[in-house]
Amino acid sequence: GESVGLHLPTLSVQEGDNSIINCAYSNSASDYFIWYKQESGKGPQFIIDIRSNMDKRQGQRVTVLLNKTVKHLSLQIAATQPGDSAVYFCAENGSSNTGKLIFGQGTTLQVKP
Amino acid sequence: ETGVTQTPRHLVMGMTNKKSLKCEQHLGHNAMYWYKQSAKKPLELMFVYNFKEQTENNSVPSRFSPECPNSSHLFLHLHTLQPEDSALYLCASSQVSGGNGGELFFGEGSRLTVL
Repeated sequence: GESVGLHLPTLSVQEGDNSIINCAYSNSASDYFIWYKQESGKGPQFIIDIRSNMDKRQGQRVTVLLNKTVKHLSLQIAATQPGDSAVYFCAENGSSNTGKLIFGQGTTLQVKP
Repeated sequence: ETGVTQTPRHLVMGMTNKKSLKCEQHLGHNAMYWYKQSAKKPLELMFVYNFKEQTENNSVPSRFSPECPNSSHLFLHLHTLQPEDSALYLCASSQVSGGNGGELFFGEGSRLTVL
């Protein structure tokens, strides 16, 4: 069945270090992947996306890596800051054409000062 | 400000009440969604509307009734809910074209507590 999962429910890092959040997906038909950040009391916010014809995409301080062979997605945050503390979700589009996204469970990133 | 506005932000209701959640998007998108977010669970898709037509109902109980009068507004009508329905209800919109949607833009959510 369709499922998206994250390897660790919680990740704790020191301020200034790099963070890596991992995600495994199971639907081979997925061709679009997104990372979202959700701060307490807010809705999920877009961080970065990637299509299946790419294996890496960089944004400002963030990089998404896609390994289609093992169905793995990761989010790298450089020089992690206290403001990066949040829950991070990966999502895939599955085989649907309705525009829906299937979400993973989320990883809570805690940044220690 | 994401361009998706949800009201109310917080709602407390009894199991016999009838209430509605409202969502409005100002992004000109053609698709709108309701997701349910419970503690320690992934976001669960409830309903999808494309061009005001419901295209997906993810086995949602009939005590949840969606309404999409136009591409900018989406409602979730609630009646005879159960305490386990307490959750954060998130509305989202996106632009779907060529059979594929892109990024979902989420509202801040409506925190529902059923007593």
